[in-house]
Amino acid sequence: QVQLVQSEAEVKKPGASVKVSCKASGYTFTHYGISWVRQAPGQGLEWMGWISANNGNTKYAQKFQGRVTLTTDTSTSTAYMELRSLRSDDTAVYYCARDISPIVGTIIGAFDIWGLGTVVTVSS
Amino acid sequence: DIQMTQSPSSLSASVGDRVTITCQASQDISNFLNWYQQKPGKAPKLLIYDASNLETGVPSRFSGSGSGTDFTFTINSLQPEDIATYYCQQYDNLPPSFGQGTRLEVK
Repeated sequence: QVQLVQSEAEVKKPGASVKVSCKASGYTFTHYGISWVRQAPGQGLEWMGWISANNGNTKYAQKFQGRVTLTTDTSTSTAYMELRSLRSDDTAVYYCARDISPIVGTIIGAFDIWGLGTVVTVSS
Repeated sequence: DIQMTQSPSSLSASVGDRVTITCQASQDISNFLNWYQQKPGKAPKLLIYDASNLETGVPSRFSGSGSGTDFTFTINSLQPEDIATYYCQQYDNLPPSFGQGTRLEVK
């Protein structure tokens, strides 16, 4: 079945970086884009950015521009999100989600399949 | 950025009740609106897309309506398994944005 399997929880110190992976299966990876959405404890959902698995094009939320990098490895059908200069308020569950766009290489900004989430804790 | 405002932020209802949640966009988003259900400790699940279309496999007691700036999400005959937080989300403009969520409890 179609699924996104994310990497395990991470604990990082302030100022460090974290790289979360999201392995896709059950569909042609390069036909869809992947967005990353985070959720701080007890809070709502916040979109971080999107990457086309077809050509690597990216779009980032202004809030994270310069601090986040999205990449993909088409040989393993895996997407990655790296967040740098971590702060305590980056503590959150990070989700990858498949974009529903039917046009390869484009973003709709709506999500039909979600990973289970990766907990990232930033603490000294 | 487009702001999405949901109401109420929480509500309590009985099994069998009809439940309605509203979502208002800060500008016209046509019908580019989704509704998601998130159960505690789980990822969000797409229920309704394009404001009123039921995602495959979602029970027919869930429905959505609206266009422009005002949208409604309805659960007919609330079931115990519907305990969750519900989010609206617009995708008319980047960045995609979510409402703050409506936490639904069963009395």
